[in-house]
Amino acid sequence: KAGVTQTPRYLIKTRGQQVTLSCSPISGHRSVSWYQQTPGQGLQFLFEYFSETQRNKGNFPGRFSGRQFSNSRSEMNVSTLELGDSALYLCASSLGLDRGNSPLHFGNGTRLTVT
Amino acid sequence: DAKTTQPTSMDCAEGRAANLPCNHSTISGNEYVYWYRQIHSQGPQYIIHGLKNNETNEMASLIITEDRKSSTLILPHATLRDTAVYYCIVRGPYGNKLVFGAGTILRVKS
Repeated sequence: KAGVTQTPRYLIKTRGQQVTLSCSPISGHRSVSWYQQTPGQGLQFLFEYFSETQRNKGNFPGRFSGRQFSNSRSEMNVSTLELGDSALYLCASSLGLDRGNSPLHFGNGTRLTVT
Repeated sequence: DAKTTQPTSMDCAEGRAANLPCNHSTISGNEYVYWYRQIHSQGPQYIIHGLKNNETNEMASLIITEDRKSSTLILPHATLRDTAVYYCIVRGPYGNKLVFGAGTILRVKS
């Protein structure tokens, strides 16, 4: 089975621009979550989508948004980029069943650099 | 979700078992213990998880104490490729929000 695929792998943007990152989950997985990883803050939860609906949201400003399509693929968007948005953005997918017994599987991330 | 406490770093000789401890004294009865590891520049890799019983898979074993307040991840025969940051996470029964701490840096040395 193919793993979680994230594109692009690397991205360089300028302050004030916006960016869209893409995630293709493992086949059959209906839940997609997004995380941000920085050296200072570590891994932080952004949001989770299940069946095209946002199910949970972390403590990030409204500039960070996402969506999920009917085929479970997901995108996240960051508008009005700031230098502090430079990070590794990770996508994780799972079957989406509740009760905590469905492991999340992560992609290798998109490395975003804002200059 | 319950917080976890892990040592900052550990060393292990190649070929020996690596035992990584984790404390989660405030864990609730319906919360799972998950272990992930992350090698530089890659996404976290799922290793194993458990609720009450000890678990084993092709990668590792997970030992959970009877009171569930602590657990140990065991890599039976560590190799240099096991050098990574290991995260112990307590996960609630609803949703897919994982709260990552700083983890344990495991260095496997030849």
